[in-house]
Amino acid sequence: AQTVTQSQPEMSVQEAETVTLSCTYDTSESDYYLFWYKQPPSRQMILVIRQEAYKQQNATENRFSVNFQKAAKSFSLKISDSQLGDAAMYFCAYRSVLSGTYKYIFGTGTRLKVLA
Amino acid sequence: DTGVSQNPRHKITKRGQNVTFRCDPISEHNRLYWYRQTLGQGPEFLTYFQNEAQLEKSRLLSDRFSAERPKGSFSTLEIQRTEQGDSAMYLCASNSLKGTGGNEQFFGPGTRLTVL
Repeated sequence: AQTVTQSQPEMSVQEAETVTLSCTYDTSESDYYLFWYKQPPSRQMILVIRQEAYKQQNATENRFSVNFQKAAKSFSLKISDSQLGDAAMYFCAYRSVLSGTYKYIFGTGTRLKVLA
Repeated sequence: DTGVSQNPRHKITKRGQNVTFRCDPISEHNRLYWYRQTLGQGPEFLTYFQNEAQLEKSRLLSDRFSAERPKGSFSTLEIQRTEQGDSAMYLCASNSLKGTGGNEQFFGPGTRLTVL
């Protein structure tokens, strides 16, 4: 069974600085998707960025980028030029491609605090 | 822009009572998912539907839980004889098999259940 681990329960970053959130996962599959979702306080989760395992190039979305290390099963999220609105819970999620299931497997989350 | 909606947003009930939650997915989405999120944890998969067919159920979904999606549109999640351990945020998500990009799931705001 696949598992997702986020080892940082909480992180803090100064406004305008850069922060990296860690995520590792375990799977025996070769093809899958990885996601980072943001959950602001009392608001719904929204997708931040996705990565397809068969693509070696790291995904980027504006200030958000990932460092995808397939062999190491690592998928970290880098937030550049942090803004107050980035404060939220961040969840890393895995989705199988081959097994026929479309469910997400989530990590336990990292709470990001942005300091003014 | 109508996203995924869930009702009620909050539900307080006494142990032993039955509760029902509703999820309205994005209209063109044929897949609908239910997750449960307890404090300090990431969402855990409960079940999903493709149109009106329930295709997968987690072992977390005990026989006190039942989900339906009768016409392939909205879905209901019922919990019978609630227990204090059922207290959690119940999240609904939807997506479509069409399109690209890993079939991102779009999440609703959740229903927070408190069992006294």
